[in-house]
Amino acid sequence: DGGITQSPKYLFRKEGQNVTLSCEQNLNHDAMYWYRQDPGQGLRLIYYSQIVNDFQKGDIAEGYSVSREKKESFPLTVTSAQKNPTAFYLCASSIMLQPQHFGDGTRLSIL
Amino acid sequence: KQEVTQIPAALSVPEGENLVLNCSFTDSAIYNLQWFRQDPGKGLTSLLLIQSSQREQTSGRLNASLDKSSGRSTLYIAASQPGDSATYLCAVFGGYQKVTFGTGTKLQVIP
Repeated sequence: DGGITQSPKYLFRKEGQNVTLSCEQNLNHDAMYWYRQDPGQGLRLIYYSQIVNDFQKGDIAEGYSVSREKKESFPLTVTSAQKNPTAFYLCASSIMLQPQHFGDGTRLSIL
Repeated sequence: KQEVTQIPAALSVPEGENLVLNCSFTDSAIYNLQWFRQDPGKGLTSLLLIQSSQREQTSGRLNASLDKSSGRSTLYIAASQPGDSATYLCAVFGGYQKVTFGTGTKLQVIP
């Protein structure tokens, strides 16, 4: 079955630590996205990538970094510069501006 | 800046009732609008996508309409079932980086 796999499902970060969230898709989609979801707020775009080796900042990119070395993979690193990282992180993919498909998310908490 | 509002924030209905969820947006320059369903602790499941040139889309018991000029979309659910209980989100796409989500309507269908 085609889909998007996010791992891990739960992640804990210590102060001053960088953590990386994995997102893999086998849908052959060119575009991939990272969103952050906080209680009572809509999803907010962190980064997006339209093609391999290219990515663009979204609305809340500060404290985050990404890479897109393969079409299937779009990992997100939450750096120590992100002072409020506790949230639900969602990865999505799409063809051009067609329907977005989402993974099941990673919940990040601070130890 | 695009703003997306979903009213009501929560809705409780008896099983079998037809219902309408609302989504309004402030900037009519959009490519498409997408309705999603989110179950607790899960990612988003795409329900319907309406291109900016379309006025409505249907899938099973779901019908979504779009009125760009008035900045409104509605999601109609016919003959609601307990399995429809979830949070429903609308998202407005103005381009790859111009995506704005509403905060959702939490629906509870009572058996």
